[in-house]
Amino acid sequence: AQSVTQLDSQVPVFEEAPVELRCNYSSSVSVYLFWYVQYPNQGLQLLLKYLSGSTLVKGINGFEAEFNKSQTSFHLRKPSVHISDTAEYFCAVSDQNSGYSTLTFGKGTMLLVSP
Amino acid sequence: EAGVAQSPRYKIIEKRQSVAFWCNPISGHATLYWYQQILGQGPKLLIQFQNNGVVDDSQLPKDRFSAERLKGVDSTLKIQPAKLEDSAVYLCASSQGRDRRNTQYFGPGTRLTVL
Repeated sequence: AQSVTQLDSQVPVFEEAPVELRCNYSSSVSVYLFWYVQYPNQGLQLLLKYLSGSTLVKGINGFEAEFNKSQTSFHLRKPSVHISDTAEYFCAVSDQNSGYSTLTFGKGTMLLVSP
Repeated sequence: EAGVAQSPRYKIIEKRQSVAFWCNPISGHATLYWYQQILGQGPKLLIQFQNNGVVDDSQLPKDRFSAERLKGVDSTLKIQPAKLEDSAVYLCASSQGRDRRNTQYFGPGTRLTVL
């Protein structure tokens, strides 16, 4: 079974600073990778996803992520964060060859942006 | 386009009581998911429907949880009887189909507190 490790439970950062949220997954089989964001009292919203092709994926709100197969990682980055980016971020993986469209989520990283 | 709707948003019950949650997916989405999100954790899939049939319920505690999706549209998730450890946010999501590349769209969730 797949597992996802988000190495930081909280990441505090100042506004306009760059940020990287780390994500590693367990399996070396072919996978699809996703980053979701959850604002307080809301459901999850897709930021970006890696399906195939270029390993650098661009998403909404200025976020991007890089797929590294050899390191089984899919880290999320933003060059300059805003206060409004304060939220919980979840990395998720789906096995390409699984019979079901199941997503396995990490525990999440809380991004705290302060002025 | 209307998003995934869920009700109620909040529910407080005592242990051993029963509770039901309702979900209306995005129009035309054939696949519907129920997730359980315990505080501090990522969402965990409970059950997946394709139209009105169950595709995956391997992680659903069937002694107390049940779900149905009549007519392949709305869905209800029921817990009977509830335990303290069922306190969580219950998220409903939908996607166009079972293809693992499809984006899952999440509702705002129902926060359940069991006392």
